[in-house]
Amino acid sequence: GENVEQHPSTLSVQEGDSAVIKCTYSDSASNYFPWYKQELGKGPQLIIDIRSNVGEKKDQRIAVTLNKTAKHFSLHITETQPEDSAVYFCAARGNSGNTPLVFGKGTRLSVIA
Amino acid sequence: DAEITQSPRHKITETGRQVTLACHQTWNHNNMFWYRQDLGHGLRLIHYSYGVQDTNKGEVSDGYSVSRSNTEDLPLTLESAASSQTSVYFCASRPGLGSYEQFFGPGTRLTVL
Repeated sequence: GENVEQHPSTLSVQEGDSAVIKCTYSDSASNYFPWYKQELGKGPQLIIDIRSNVGEKKDQRIAVTLNKTAKHFSLHITETQPEDSAVYFCAARGNSGNTPLVFGKGTRLSVIA
Repeated sequence: DAEITQSPRHKITETGRQVTLACHQTWNHNNMFWYRQDLGHGLRLIHYSYGVQDTNKGEVSDGYSVSRSNTEDLPLTLESAASSQTSVYFCASRPGLGSYEQFFGPGTRLTVL
């Protein structure tokens, strides 16, 4: 089955700097890659996702890139703000149409003002 | 507004007791999922359902069961609670085949003494 590895497990950046979180996946048939943000005491919330037919997607300060050949995808946050501090999870899902998401172990991002 | 709720939000129980965690969604989603979140392990899938009367085992299903008697609810039962089941539990849902975005509930923190 699918296996998702996520790095780093913790990341500290200065406010205004960029943050990059990387994930690799094992199943070359996976075709959907979402990123979730989890704030303290809350459930994860989808912030951006990408499907295997595109290589990059942007939404304001966040972007996701996908390299299908290397089987890895990354989350990029530019101009970080204190409110970006949270735990971020990547996930992958196979192409059978209804398979469950498989999540990475998460990255705790701290933005230092 | 449509939503997904979990109850209770916090629960303390004793080893060996049966515990049921409730999950209710008002979106009429076919797919529902239960995850547990533990430090260093991220989100791990316990059980999931693709519709009424359908249930499937996830990665860490031992000691847990679910039932799906209607579209809105997927209760998670711990048959005989163990200290290893102390965790934060998240319920999630998504519309169904062909859908992508998955929505999470606020979580239940369970402590087994």
